Amino acid sequence: ETGVTQTPRHLVMGMTNKKSLKCEQHLGHNAMYWYKQSAKKPLELMFVYNFKEQTENNSVPSRFSPECPNSSHLFLHLHTLQPEDSALYLCASSQDLGGDYNEQFFGPGTRLTVL
Amino acid sequence: QKEVEQNSGPLSVPEGAIASLNCTYSDRGSQSFFWYRQYSGKSPELIMFIYSNGDKEDGRFTAQLNKASQYVSLLIRDSQPSDSATYLCAVKGGSYIPTFGRGTSLIVHP
Repeated sequence: ETGVTQTPRHLVMGMTNKKSLKCEQHLGHNAMYWYKQSAKKPLELMFVYNFKEQTENNSVPSRFSPECPNSSHLFLHLHTLQPEDSALYLCASSQDLGGDYNEQFFGPGTRLTVL
Repeated sequence: QKEVEQNSGPLSVPEGAIASLNCTYSDRGSQSFFWYRQYSGKSPELIMFIYSNGDKEDGRFTAQLNKASQYVSLLIRDSQPSDSATYLCAVKGGSYIPTFGRGTSLIVHP
């Protein structure tokens, strides 16, 4: 595996379900991010981890719960979601958070549908 | 609140023409500027980075930055149908996290 991988690629869940999204990066990076991408909206930053420590929580509802057990893995635990949470969830990584040039590498995303 | 504005488009250009994509930003302290390309159903990938005022060229792509006017643009010369995608502008200032625009959809028709 190379780059940033995400599983599952597609997920359909009911409002009462609990599910988790997984992200793994094989780039040796130290920073990882969760973004939400909805149609016609800018990428919405959700969470940022740097060296396994959460550095950013962008006022995300508590029904989204991130977990970063190590610098290579990032999870997003989902519970009691709403239909408006349906979107593409993108994971990204970068070498770290500093510097002017800090390219983010994105995973393929998980297309989430909440019924 | 830091804002990055892009015309959502679609911008339609004929094959072989120059496509011009524009982005304006509100944070005057912004220092780094990125252009990502996102094909339909795919994830964004970085195609250009610019830091200094002026032009930066990479193949058919040219990024232009004007910090005084707070805009950054992307020119695509000799546009090809394979360039059809959404182009995301991202701006990084004092915060270590880039702010993304909503993207401009580009359609290059044969």
